[in-house]
Amino acid sequence: EVQLVESGGGLIQPGGSLRLSCVVSEFTVSSNYMNWVRQAPGKGLEWVSVIYTGGQTYHADSVKGRFTTSRDNSKNTLYLQMNSLKAEDTAVYYCARETPGEKNFDHWGQGTLVTVSS
Amino acid sequence: DIQMTQSPSSLSASVGDRVTITCRASQSISNYLNWYQQKPGKAPKLLIYGASSLQTGVPSRFSGSRSGTDFTLSISSLQPDDFATYYCQQTYSIPVTFGQGTKLDIK
Repeated sequence: EVQLVESGGGLIQPGGSLRLSCVVSEFTVSSNYMNWVRQAPGKGLEWVSVIYTGGQTYHADSVKGRFTTSRDNSKNTLYLQMNSLKAEDTAVYYCARETPGEKNFDHWGQGTLVTVSS
Repeated sequence: DIQMTQSPSSLSASVGDRVTITCRASQSISNYLNWYQQKPGKAPKLLIYGASSLQTGVPSRFSGSRSGTDFTLSISSLQPDDFATYYCQQTYSIPVTFGQGTKLDIK
């Protein structure tokens, strides 16, 4: 069964850093496009980033320069490094698979909550 | 960025009703439009991809269509399990963008 399991969320002060992980089973992270999507409490879905099979990454303007997306092929794990965190980054963060060429997010993790507050 | 305008933002309906949710793209996105269902505390679930293709395992009462830059999600006969929030998503270009969501609740 395909599984994506996020971890690393928690309470962090403004200006701090966190690294989220998304451990994947039953498919290979490096063979798929992997996305991060977030959802602020009570709000809608916001796309955060993608890493393509070739390693190229794109980020939303709201996080560009502060967040970095990467993967460890040996661990079949996706990461989101979040620096200079702001209150408006408070959200549940989901990782999601996008099969190349399919252009849809067919598998999602359960999400991890990041709360930025002093 | 491509804006996705989804309507209505909320909808009350009864079991057995037919409901329609609309999403309008701010520019052409071809058929790169997906629909998701989300229940409280859960991750979104893919229902429809490519504007009108039904994801494996999704009941056939769900359907999608396209007319230009207008997209529609229809549920032919609401079941108790369908009361949730629905989002459209365009994947035509980066940044990927979502509609604001439609919360469907029981009348």
